[in-house]
Amino acid sequence: DTGVSQDPRHKITKRGQNVTFRCDPISEHNRLYWYRQTLGQGPEFLTYFQNEAQLEKSRLLSDRFSAERPKGSFSTLEIQRTEQGDSAMYLCASRRDSEAFFGQGTRLTVV
Amino acid sequence: DQQVKQNSPSLSVQEGRISILNCDYTNSMFDYFLWYKKYPAEGPTFLISISSIKDKNEDGRFTVFLNKSAKHLSLHIVPSQPGDSAVYFCAASLASYGGSQGNLIFGKGTKLSVKP
Repeated sequence: DTGVSQDPRHKITKRGQNVTFRCDPISEHNRLYWYRQTLGQGPEFLTYFQNEAQLEKSRLLSDRFSAERPKGSFSTLEIQRTEQGDSAMYLCASRRDSEAFFGQGTRLTVV
Repeated sequence: DQQVKQNSPSLSVQEGRISILNCDYTNSMFDYFLWYKKYPAEGPTFLISISSIKDKNEDGRFTVFLNKSAKHLSLHIVPSQPGDSAVYFCAASLASYGGSQGNLIFGKGTKLSVKP
């Protein structure tokens, strides 16, 4: 499968714990995006990388969130000291030309 | 302030008829528009796109129309099939943020139900 891959698909964590998600983009895509989606909303932009450089961050990305893309390949999104409001679907997308392709998402539930 | 708006949360259509999903935007700097389809518990799947230099793009049963003066685009599905039942998202790219390769701004989606 050469699509965008996200791991894990589901994560249940206790409030206050740290979680890390991984995204493997389509190999020739130099741009990688993280989005968050909650019920009844469209995907909301979090951050974006071109190769290894993080070019843009949304104000939704509080200090508890950090994203990396070492070597311009896979990316990780870490949430520290999780809160119940962090419960959402976290989506990764990669893009080379005009169309962005999404992974299956990671469903985070904070209890 | 929502820059991409899908004002119809849901739409129900009979199989074989046309489905028309609408999207309005407020920022005239958007230069590229995309439609995505999403099933529950899955990521969005790319359907069709259109550049701001065009007013129509067609791909099989899917056609997207862009009216820049009205800041409006629509997705037509003809004929509609039960397998088309999903949530459809409209998205736009901002020219000043890398244009067609920049960040995508999404609407809230329209849930399409195609009844047999």
